[in-house]
Amino acid sequence: DTAVSQTPKYLVTQMGNDKSIKCEQNLGHDTMYWYKQDSKKFLKIMFSYNNKELIINETVPNRFSPKSPDKAHLNLHINSLELGDSAVYFCASSLRQGGGYTFGSGTRLTVV
Amino acid sequence: QKEVEQNSGPLSVPEGAIASLNCTYSDRGSQSFFWYRQYSGKSPELIMSIYSNGDKEDGRFTAQLNKASQYVSLLIRDSQPSDSATYLCAVNRENYGQNFVFGPGTRLSVLP
Repeated sequence: DTAVSQTPKYLVTQMGNDKSIKCEQNLGHDTMYWYKQDSKKFLKIMFSYNNKELIINETVPNRFSPKSPDKAHLNLHINSLELGDSAVYFCASSLRQGGGYTFGSGTRLTVV
Repeated sequence: QKEVEQNSGPLSVPEGAIASLNCTYSDRGSQSFFWYRQYSGKSPELIMSIYSNGDKEDGRFTAQLNKASQYVSLLIRDSQPSDSATYLCAVNRENYGQNFVFGPGTRLSVLP
């Protein structure tokens, strides 16, 4: 049983398209996150949700919109994709705010 | 000053040696510190957490924390080639939703 699962694993798309990445955790954790890891491997937080409520919204273009239908799911929708959006996007969850993360396997997004 | 700094490496050590990985942080209010290991092409996995000054040991891993110096380190004893990975230091931001800021990571190479 995968603890934090993300789909799709790979996503190749053209500039200007809209795409979504889905994340689900079966750990019973309260808090979920989206992180972006760029080509230099730097992990940067994008969003954090606690029990379906948005807690953190870092300086992310408003083309990125998270949605948490319930505390086990946190999806990421990206509008009007740009070349600079190419990166690996990781979903993560933690039992509580401030706890250690369990990461999903990542989604490698390539915008061409 | 960046929030969390690490030497990018690569740090090369011979098999069986002690690998020492260092991390400094800027937020004096930080209370929680984590070390993650990330193999190439994989997601980060939590290996150690530390909250109090001093040492914390777990198998071959020892985390060391000095809040006065704003310094946290990870020692890996009896290094194995399978320890070759990038090690990420993560420090929480108490006053901002308790999310974690990650350092850029140190790439460790253990030579057989």
